[in-house]
Amino acid sequence: KAGVTQTPRYLIKTRGQQVTLSCSPISGHRSVSWYQQTPGQGLQFLFEYFSETQRNKGNFPGRFSGRQFSNSRSEMNVSTLELGDSALYLCASSLPRDSPTDTQYFGPGTRLTVL
Amino acid sequence: DAKTTQPTSMDCAEGRAANLPCNHSTISGNEYVYWYRQIHSQGPQYIIHGLKNNETNEMASLIITEDRKSSTLILPHATLRDTAVYYCIVRVANDLTGTASKLTFGTGTRLQVTL
Repeated sequence: KAGVTQTPRYLIKTRGQQVTLSCSPISGHRSVSWYQQTPGQGLQFLFEYFSETQRNKGNFPGRFSGRQFSNSRSEMNVSTLELGDSALYLCASSLPRDSPTDTQYFGPGTRLTVL
Repeated sequence: DAKTTQPTSMDCAEGRAANLPCNHSTISGNEYVYWYRQIHSQGPQYIIHGLKNNETNEMASLIITEDRKSSTLILPHATLRDTAVYYCIVRVANDLTGTASKLTFGTGTRLQVTL
């Protein structure tokens, strides 16, 4: 079974631009969570989507948003990019349809650099 | 979620067992212990989880003390590829409301496996 995939793997943007990152969960998984990892703050939870609804949200400004599609694929968007948004953005999927197991499995991440 | 405490770093000789401790003295009765590892700049990899019984899978063993206030992850025969940051996380089990979806990562233990 294929794992979690994220695209693109690397991205360079300039301040003020916006960016959209994509995540395809493991087949059959219904929940997608997003995390930001920076050297200073470590791994921090952004938000989680289940059945196209945001169920849980971390402490990030409104510039960070996301959505989930009916096929469970998810996108996150960051508007008005700041230098501090440079980070590794990780997506994790869980909750297969045939099991209540909510162990999260992570993708390889998207490395965003803001210049 | 309960807070965890892990040593900042550990060394292990290749071929020997790596024993990574984790303290979680405030763990609640419905909280599981999860272990992930992150190899440099990759997404975290799920290793194992448990509630109160010892667990073993193809990657590792998890030993949880009887009072559940601490646990040890054991890699029985460490190899150079096991060099990574290991995270111990305590969280409630499956919660379909989504409140359990957030994983809180600490700073983890940096395990260095050497020849």
